[in-house]
Amino acid sequence: AQSVAQPEDQVNVAEGNPLTVKCTYSVSGNPYLFWYVQYPNRGLQFLLKYITGDNLVKGSYGFEAEFNKSQTSFHLKKPSALVSDSALYFCAVRLYRNSGNTPLVFGKGTRLSVIA
Amino acid sequence: SQTIHQWPATLVQPVGSPLSLECTVEGTSNPNLYWYRQAAGRGLQLLFYSVGIGQISSEVPQNLSASRPQDRQFILSSKKLLLSDSGFYLCAWSAGGRGYGYTFGSGTRLTVV
Repeated sequence: AQSVAQPEDQVNVAEGNPLTVKCTYSVSGNPYLFWYVQYPNRGLQFLLKYITGDNLVKGSYGFEAEFNKSQTSFHLKKPSALVSDSALYFCAVRLYRNSGNTPLVFGKGTRLSVIA
Repeated sequence: SQTIHQWPATLVQPVGSPLSLECTVEGTSNPNLYWYRQAAGRGLQLLFYSVGIGQISSEVPQNLSASRPQDRQFILSSKKLLLSDSGFYLCAWSAGGRGYGYTFGSGTRLTVV
């Protein structure tokens, strides 16, 4: 089955330290991968996506993600965490279906807490 | 530019009452539209999606239904709410094609009492 997994419910990091939020996927064909962030009682905001090309993708707010085909991973990273980065992060994969309808499927989310 | 509007922001409804949540998109035509539910502030569950007027696909059978009466309008409904329908409901739109991500509305917090 096509799916995406976020193995960590919670990630804690000190302000100024690098952060990584993990994501692995299982899809048919080439993966179309996305990261979103959600602040309390708000909708999700797009951070970045991987479609094709360079394995390192740069996105909003200084975030980047590394696509690793052999490990089927798409981890979100930031070199220096800010307290304002504290939020809920979702990895998502756009499914491939013969019907052509391709909704996004989201991981369960990882809550990032950056401690001052 | 494209914008998505979702309302109301919060709603408290008694068990057994009807529900109607509305979502509209501006600045684009023929968007793909989606309804998600988020329970307990975590995972997102795809409820319905639509690729055109009158075309609704249901991902999970439940007490809810969706309609798309106009190109940029997507409505989530229920005839009789259950306690388990409580949650945070998110509408989203995307352009066609797998390379496009979603743009989300600001969400509706529904509490069924």
